[in-house]
Amino acid sequence: DGGITQSPKYLFRKEGQNVTLSCEQNLNHDAMYWYRQDPGQGLRLIYYSQIVNDFQKGDIAEGYSVSREKKESFPLTVTSAQKNPTAFYLCASSMGLVNQPQHFGDGTRLSIL
Amino acid sequence: ILNVEQSPQSLHVQEGDSTNFTCSFPSSNFYALHWYRWETAKSPEALFVMTLNGDEKKKGRISATLNTKEGYSYLYIKGSQPEDSATYLCAFDSWGKLQFGAGTQVVVTP
Repeated sequence: DGGITQSPKYLFRKEGQNVTLSCEQNLNHDAMYWYRQDPGQGLRLIYYSQIVNDFQKGDIAEGYSVSREKKESFPLTVTSAQKNPTAFYLCASSMGLVNQPQHFGDGTRLSIL
Repeated sequence: ILNVEQSPQSLHVQEGDSTNFTCSFPSSNFYALHWYRWETAKSPEALFVMTLNGDEKKKGRISATLNTKEGYSYLYIKGSQPEDSATYLCAFDSWGKLQFGAGTQVVVTP
């Protein structure tokens, strides 16, 4: 079955620690995205990538970093510079960047210890 | 950051009743408007991507209309069933960057 796999499902971060959230897709999609959800708010775009070795900042990129070395993978690192990392993180992919429906993973919930 | 608003925030519907709710978005620089359904403990699922003014799309008992000139879209659920219970998200597509509304939570009671 084609889809998007996010891991882990739950993640805990200590103060001053970087953590990396995994996102893998086998849909052969070119574009991939990371969103953050906070209570009562819509999904907010952190980073997106239209193609391998290229990515762009979204609306709330500060304190996050990404890489896109393979088409299938788009890991998100939450750095210690992100002062409020507790949130639900969703990864998505689509065939192209514009006017294409996005397919989502099941999400990772990150909490601070 | 663009302002995408959904109303109401939540609604309760009796099984068998029909309902509708709204997504408002900026009417300038329009590329597309997306609708997603997000059931509890699942991942968001794409319903529609709408691109043309006057567009009307249908998927089973769910349909959507689009007015790009005035900046709104309606989602309709006909004959609501308990499995329609979910949060419905709309998103304004600004050249691939989606701006999501906060969603309308629909609860269908038997």
